[in-house]
Amino acid sequence: DAGVTQSPTHLIKTRGQQVTLRCSPISGHKSVSWYQQVLGQGPQFIFQYYEKEERGRGNFPDRFSARQFPNYSSELNVNALLLGDSALYLCASREGPPSGELFFGEGSRLTVL
Amino acid sequence: AQSVTQLGSHVSVSEGALVLLRCNYSSSVPPYLFWYVQYPNQGLQLLLKYTTGATLVKGINGFEAEFKKSETSFHLTKPSAHMSDAAEYFCAVSEGTSYDKVIFGPGTSLSVIP
Repeated sequence: DAGVTQSPTHLIKTRGQQVTLRCSPISGHKSVSWYQQVLGQGPQFIFQYYEKEERGRGNFPDRFSARQFPNYSSELNVNALLLGDSALYLCASREGPPSGELFFGEGSRLTVL
Repeated sequence: AQSVTQLGSHVSVSEGALVLLRCNYSSSVPPYLFWYVQYPNQGLQLLLKYTTGATLVKGINGFEAEFKKSETSFHLTKPSAHMSDAAEYFCAVSEGTSYDKVIFGPGTSLSVIP
């Protein structure tokens, strides 16, 4: 079975632009979470979606938004990019309740110039 | 609020020596605890997890961790380090409810010296 897949794997943007990152969870997994990992730090929680509803939001500005589609895939959008948004964006999926382990994708590495 | 601290941002051990990576957490409810490993330019892979039951948890690649509630700790150990263990290790905590978020520590970079 395929694992969590993310696209694109690498991208370069300039300040002020907008970016959309995509994630396909493991088949059967209904929960998707997004994390931002700045170089040298641990992943920081951005969003969690379950059954197409937002279930949690981390301490990120409104420039960050996400959604989950009927097939449980997800998109993360970041508007008005700043240099500080440069990071590895990780998507993770897991089965529904009860809580279980997160399965991570390889990430999308965003560089903002 | 939940949080995770990892003592030592970088740990070096000799090949064949004991690996000990420290993790302390804070949680207002009985936590679920995890250790993840990240190799360069890759995502995170689960090493082991504690949810309920036995406090000594065995994971993949010979790693194990012990949940000590009184010390709010979940240290990761491996009796004998291998070169392939060199990676970044993250301790994480969640509240164990249906839709909770997982909070990660800052990570510990493990180097193995031949």
